[in-house]
Amino acid sequence: DQQVKQNSPSLSVQEGRISILNCDYTNSMFDYFLWYKKYPAEGPTFLISISSIKDKNEDGRFTVFLNKSAKHLSLHIVPSQPGDSAVYFCAAYPGGGKLIFGQGTELSVKP
Amino acid sequence: SQTIHQWPATLVQPVGSPLSLECTVEGTSNPNLYWYRQAAGRGLQLLFYSVGIGQISSEVPQNLSASRPQDRQFILSSKKLLLSDSGFYLCAWSVEGRAFFGQGTRLTVV
Repeated sequence: DQQVKQNSPSLSVQEGRISILNCDYTNSMFDYFLWYKKYPAEGPTFLISISSIKDKNEDGRFTVFLNKSAKHLSLHIVPSQPGDSAVYFCAAYPGGGKLIFGQGTELSVKP
Repeated sequence: SQTIHQWPATLVQPVGSPLSLECTVEGTSNPNLYWYRQAAGRGLQLLFYSVGIGQISSEVPQNLSASRPQDRQFILSSKKLLLSDSGFYLCAWSVEGRAFFGQGTRLTVV
């Protein structure tokens, strides 16, 4: 049972345009969400997070939006750069120590 | 500052052999600790997590086990490896939900 879902396995975007990565979750009790970026053969690195008391959090080119009623969050990257090409994972922290990841979306930013 | 060490970086093991992967964390106390596996072309699958010494929660039935003998040490083991155990294994620690990952171990079972 996949509690955190990233339904798009891949996304291709032109350099300078916006990248939008989507994530859905099933449990309305989840209250903290994170986005990670991963390069091949490396561990994921933290990008940005959002608490359920907010609907938006921004850090430079990265913005995360949370729609609690739809159980949906998205990561916007503006403007996209070739160095942003990586696999992006969203994750949910329901408390109690467990941290659940989605399947990942591979972003390719073309020059 | 906090650091996480995971070793070895790569490992090739025959089917039926034992496995021991070790992870240690420095610079923090009582972290939550995790083992994840990323199979080829797949997402991050949570295998085990621990909220304290000797406390292990298993997420997926399998022939792997985990132990936490010390506060900042997390070990992933198997008595007999299967071909399907091949993958990229990641250790992580977290405090209040935000996780930090090690560099991973590429395990190939042959």
